[in-house]
Amino acid sequence: GENVEQHPSTLSVQEGDSAVIKCTYSDSASNYFPWYKQELGKRPQLIIDIRSNVGEKKDQRIAVTLNKTAKHFSLHITETQPEDSAVYFCAASRTGRRALTFGSGTRLQVQP
Amino acid sequence: NAGVMQNPRHLVRRRGQEARLRCSPMKGHSHVYWYRQLPEEGLKFMVYLQKENIIDESGMPKERFSAEFPKEGPSILRIQQVVRGDSAAYFCASSQDTGITDTQYFGPGTRLTVL
Repeated sequence: GENVEQHPSTLSVQEGDSAVIKCTYSDSASNYFPWYKQELGKRPQLIIDIRSNVGEKKDQRIAVTLNKTAKHFSLHITETQPEDSAVYFCAASRTGRRALTFGSGTRLQVQP
Repeated sequence: NAGVMQNPRHLVRRRGQEARLRCSPMKGHSHVYWYRQLPEEGLKFMVYLQKENIIDESGMPKERFSAEFPKEGPSILRIQQVVRGDSAAYFCASSQDTGITDTQYFGPGTRLTVL
């Protein structure tokens, strides 16, 4: 089955700096890669997703890049703010199997 | 447009009791997924259902756990004879049916504590 690895497990940045979180996946058939943000005690919230027919997608301060050859994808947050502090999860799935396989999460701390 | 609803939000059971968790998908969504999150860990897929059908239960423990999504009413995740290791947050997600892999939207979760 699919396996998703996520790094780093914790990340501390200064407000205004950029943050990058990386994930690798094992199933070459995976074609959908969402990113979720989870604040303490809250539900996972989708922040951005990408499908395998594009290499990059951007939404304001958030961008995701996908390298299908290397089977890895990354989340980029620019101009970080304290409210970006949360746990971020990457995930992967493929056509025909809708179950999401999640990475282990990255705890992002943005220092004011 | 209400999001995914789950109840109860918190559930306390003693070992050996039964736990019933409910999930109402977003309006217009016909696919329901259940995930479990242990403390300080990621989310693990359990089961995927459509109305009256279990599509994928590959992540569900073989014993004590069952799920249903009846024609009318919410999806139910049922845990019989709970043990301390069942203590976790159980999240439900729902998606539309457009024929491709659709975005899953999560509910607020049910936090199960087994004493």
